Amino acid sequence: DVKVTQSSRYLVKRTGEKVFLECVQDMDHENMFWYRQDPGLGLRLIYFSYDVKMKEKGDIPEGYSVSREKKERFSLILESASTNQTSMYLCASRGLQGDTEAFFGQGTRLTVV
Amino acid sequence: SQKIEQNSEALNIQEGKTATLTCNYTNYSPAYLQWYRQDPGRGPVFLLLIRENEKEKRKERLKVTFDTTLKQSLFHITASQPADSATYLCALDNQAGTALIFGKGTTLSVSS
Repeated sequence: DVKVTQSSRYLVKRTGEKVFLECVQDMDHENMFWYRQDPGLGLRLIYFSYDVKMKEKGDIPEGYSVSREKKERFSLILESASTNQTSMYLCASRGLQGDTEAFFGQGTRLTVV
Repeated sequence: SQKIEQNSEALNIQEGKTATLTCNYTNYSPAYLQWYRQDPGRGPVFLLLIRENEKEKRKERLKVTFDTTLKQSLFHITASQPADSATYLCALDNQAGTALIFGKGTTLSVSS
């Protein structure tokens, strides 16, 4: 069974903390993505990566960075967490060809207090 | 910039009826479009992909149409069941073809 695994289901962090969200996929996919999902706003793309050490900004990259040191792992970093980053974070992976499905992790619900 | 709209935030229907969800897009001509299902507190799960040269695609009780002239996809669930209650998202590639962008979703509630 193919899998995208996010390191935490729930996280509570304090304002100003550096936060790492980890994502691992076992499908040897080239492409990996980080989205956040908020009520009324839907899924919004933060960053994505199409290869090791490569990254591209999505629609809302401000306040975030990413790291992809290995093909299977894609990390989202909140450099200094703020309350407006309280959200559901979803990692996804997809193969190289465009007309293929994306596989999502179970999501991390992050609360910044 | 490209935009995806799912017309209804919520749709309530009775068990056994057909649910029809709409997805419209602008400023883009995608080669294919995808539909996902999302249950509360979980990540989206892929359901169907339809290509621009396919008018219709079926999978069990699901049917998707793709009208590139109207820039619209319709998603149908026939003989709906309470277990079909979920949020349904349409998605297509961004213009660079590098990432999927999603509509805001339609939350379907099927009552028995």
